[in-house]
Amino acid sequence: GAGVSQSPSNKVTEKGKDVELRCDPISGHTALYWYRQRLGQGLEFLIYFQGNSAPDKSGLPSDRFSAERTGESVSTLTIQRTQQEDSAVYLCASSPSVISGTEAFFGQGTRLTVV
Amino acid sequence: AQSVTQLDSQVPVFEEAPVELRCNYSSSVSVYLFWYVQYPNQGLQLLLKYLSGSTLVESINGFEAEFNKSQTSFHLRKPSVHISDTAEYFCAVSSNRDDKIIFGKGTRLHILP
Repeated sequence: GAGVSQSPSNKVTEKGKDVELRCDPISGHTALYWYRQRLGQGLEFLIYFQGNSAPDKSGLPSDRFSAERTGESVSTLTIQRTQQEDSAVYLCASSPSVISGTEAFFGQGTRLTVV
Repeated sequence: AQSVTQLDSQVPVFEEAPVELRCNYSSSVSVYLFWYVQYPNQGLQLLLKYLSGSTLVESINGFEAEFNKSQTSFHLRKPSVHISDTAEYFCAVSSNRDDKIIFGKGTRLHILP
């Protein structure tokens, strides 16, 4: 596609339910990032995938959060047993990081509301 | 490890006044530096970047940033802001050793009429 695509754009879920967020990166981009942005706050790094290397999971806030990526394509971020503090916009970005200094391209985000 | 510090979480400024948004980074290797902008209810988009060469880089909408290696800074400036510049601005750093891009917490720019 022309850009990074995230789905759904909005998700309302009940506390305790599991949710799955999807990211389709730009074709050919080897690097993929997930960030969380709580209302009125900055970007919080969650996880980074780079090609076939082991992902950098250092930003995942708890074991309720996990992410997978199939090769260099789609990624899913799963949040189990959602809590109200998980409410935020979840942003995905990708970059063609085989070339150093290339920027990341962001999707429009998924707005998650836990009620 | 690399890090980025944006000291100001919010910056209020009157329309047509100059503005500077501060960004400092920490890295032991050569860096690439970026400023991203997020307009209300929109995604992040690249505003400008420094890779090498001239230390002063400019965007198409009048913003500029200067890479200062000795002060490890990459401050963003505009001589005269417009109401349409209301947005959140994020500074970011990467390097040729680790392509992971590290973002600052962001600075919210409020333009006052």
